[in-house]
Amino acid sequence: EDKVVQSPLSLVVHEGDTVTLNCSYEVTNFRSLLWYKQEKKAPTFLFMLTSSGIEKKSGRLSSILDKKELFSILNITATQTGDSAIYLCAVVDAGGTSYGKLTFGQGTILTVHP
Amino acid sequence: KAGVTQTPRYLIKTRGQQVTLSCSPISGHRSVSWYQQTPGQGLQFLFEYFSETQRNKGNFPGRFSGRQFSNSRSEMNVSTLELGDSALYLCASSSTGVTEAFFGQGTRLTVV
Repeated sequence: EDKVVQSPLSLVVHEGDTVTLNCSYEVTNFRSLLWYKQEKKAPTFLFMLTSSGIEKKSGRLSSILDKKELFSILNITATQTGDSAIYLCAVVDAGGTSYGKLTFGQGTILTVHP
Repeated sequence: KAGVTQTPRYLIKTRGQQVTLSCSPISGHRSVSWYQQTPGQGLQFLFEYFSETQRNKGNFPGRFSGRQFSNSRSEMNVSTLELGDSALYLCASSSTGVTEAFFGQGTRLTVV
C-alpha cells in the first residue's frame, strides 16, 4: 500500500524566516508527487513533480523531488503570515487501478507569527 | 475559468438519514474524485469517476456510493448516516485522473 510521511507535523516561525517541509513516500509505481496548501477548506494546488532533480518555483515557494531517495522538499523563503496553512503532500501511483487516487501525508501545519 | 463547485457547503443530518452531495468539475475535466477529511485520518480517497464510470474505489463501506452524469457532474451519497461520518467531503477535478487535481471548497457534514 502506498504511504506518504510528512515532517515536521507542525512548525512555528516568524515572518521572514525560511522553512523547509519534508515529504517521504513509498509507492509501488511512482507517477507524480503533488504539493497542496490548505487554508480553510479547499486544498490549493501548488506543484506537481514527476522528474528527479528539477526544481519547480513559484514566487517564494519552490520544490524538488529526489526519486532515488524517495522524498521531496517544499521551501518557503521570506515567510509571511499569509503562508500559515496546512501543507499537504500526495503521491499518484502509476498502477492501472490508481486512477484519480491521491495518497496524502498527514500534512504539516505551518504557523507564521508577525 | 470556473473552479470546482461543491454544494451544499454545510449540512446537518441525523443518524440513520441519508445525504447527497454534489460536485461540478472544471469545464473540460472528465475525472472527479471524492475524499473524506477528518482530523484523525486526514484525507482519504473514496472513489473516482471518469466518463460516468467508477474506475477506482477506496476502502469505505457500501453505504458510500456515487455516480457521474454525462456533463461530468458527480454526486456522492451516504446512506444510514453514522456519527463517524461527520467530516469535510472534498471533490477533486482532473482532466484524466492521473494529472494534477483541483479541489472544491468541500461540504462540511455534521451527523448528530
